[in-house]
Amino acid sequence: AQSVAQPEDQVNVAEGNPLTVKCTYSVSGNPYLFWYVQYPNRGLQFLLKYITGDNLVKGSYGFEAEFNKSQTSFHLKKPSALVSDSALYFCAVRVFYNQGGKLIFGQGTELSVKP
Amino acid sequence: ETGVTQTPRHLVMGMTNKKSLKCEQHLGHNAMYWYKQSAKKPLELMFVYSLEERVENNSVPSRFSPECPNSSHLFLHLHTLQPEDSALYLCASSQQPQAGTGKEGYTFGSGTRLTVV
Repeated sequence: AQSVAQPEDQVNVAEGNPLTVKCTYSVSGNPYLFWYVQYPNRGLQFLLKYITGDNLVKGSYGFEAEFNKSQTSFHLKKPSALVSDSALYFCAVRVFYNQGGKLIFGQGTELSVKP
Repeated sequence: ETGVTQTPRHLVMGMTNKKSLKCEQHLGHNAMYWYKQSAKKPLELMFVYSLEERVENNSVPSRFSPECPNSSHLFLHLHTLQPEDSALYLCASSQQPQAGTGKEGYTFGSGTRLTVV
């Protein structure tokens, strides 16, 4: 079965420290991987994606993610966290079928950055 | 504004009411989706429409009825809901197919916060 897992429900980080939000995937074929962020009572906003190319992908708001094929992981990182980064983060993988494709989302990780 | 607009933003309805959620996209996408987001639960994909045709219906109760009159509009008709249906309902759109096109995946609306009393 094709799936995405985010092993941590919550991540707590002090402002200024580096942060990592973990994601692992299980798909057949080459994965198309995404990270989204959700602020309270809002929809999901696109952060970054990996399709092909460099394993280190840079995205919005200073976030980056590293694709690791051998470990089937796509962890989200930021060198220095901000309080405003506190939000819910979703990893997703795109799977394809005859009529097109769809995103399968992980269960989400709540990031809390304290001053 | 993301280009995907959902109305209303908030809705409170009784279990015997009939209401509809509306989603409109101005991105020229050809696929639209309804997701349900409940507290402490993963995002649940409810319906997928591609080229105005429903291509996925994930065991959603019949009290939820989707409608896609054209590629820009998507509705979710609600009737005789239960309190456990209270959730944030998210609409998204995308361009199909996307393999290798470099598109960003889905664009989401801000959601409708539904409370069933």
